Amino acid sequence: NAGVTQTPKFQVLKTGQSMTLQCAQDMNHNSMYWYRQDPGMGLRLIYYSASEGTTDKGEVPNGYNVSRLNKREFSLRLESAAPSQTSVYFCASSEGSAQQYYGYTFGSGTRLTVV
Amino acid sequence: GNSVTQMEGPVTLSEEAFLTINCTYTATGYPSLFWYVQYPGEGLQLLLKATKADDKGSNKGFEATYRKETTSFHLEKGSVQVSDSAVYFCALSDQQNYGGSQGNLIFGKGTKLSVKP
Repeated sequence: NAGVTQTPKFQVLKTGQSMTLQCAQDMNHNSMYWYRQDPGMGLRLIYYSASEGTTDKGEVPNGYNVSRLNKREFSLRLESAAPSQTSVYFCASSEGSAQQYYGYTFGSGTRLTVV
Repeated sequence: GNSVTQMEGPVTLSEEAFLTINCTYTATGYPSLFWYVQYPGEGLQLLLKATKADDKGSNKGFEATYRKETTSFHLEKGSVQVSDSAVYFCALSDQQNYGGSQGNLIFGKGTKLSVKP
């Protein structure tokens, strides 16, 4: 069972470079999420997609864009990376309306360093 | 708005000690409550959950009871092991349990647990 797959696992970028973090789930979940995790800050929601074709901003969307390519895939793009975006990024998915019962399934994360 | 507050870590215990990690919440309606665990270098995994008041979630020797009167969902384990060393996150579903629109999970900041042999 693959669950939620994130690529790449590690990345180093120079300030101003762009990149896309990929996320795919094979559980036929409706909803997908992008979080960042920083020391002492817990998890902060960047963007989410409640269903295919929709995306919404979370708590910290500035500097990011997302694309819900299809039901399986939800990508996060950094157009011009900044050192403040150095973080661990997690993708997650859920059943959507049933998430109150099942919660989220998380990927293993992408560790991004911007120098 | 809805929120989750966890006790600050790190928490350091000896093997076989009793563990309590406090979690309290603020919410309207009837949220579901969750505990997630994150082992070093990994993503978060669902540890246990409770969907209504007085429910007890349990898994791998961990327990937590949904206490509506004290708005709490404290995590407990009677005898911790070195392998329990991880970061633990409390979370609630930002959704009322009567067929409303989808809400998102709200996470606490996490509590790091270190268990020494």
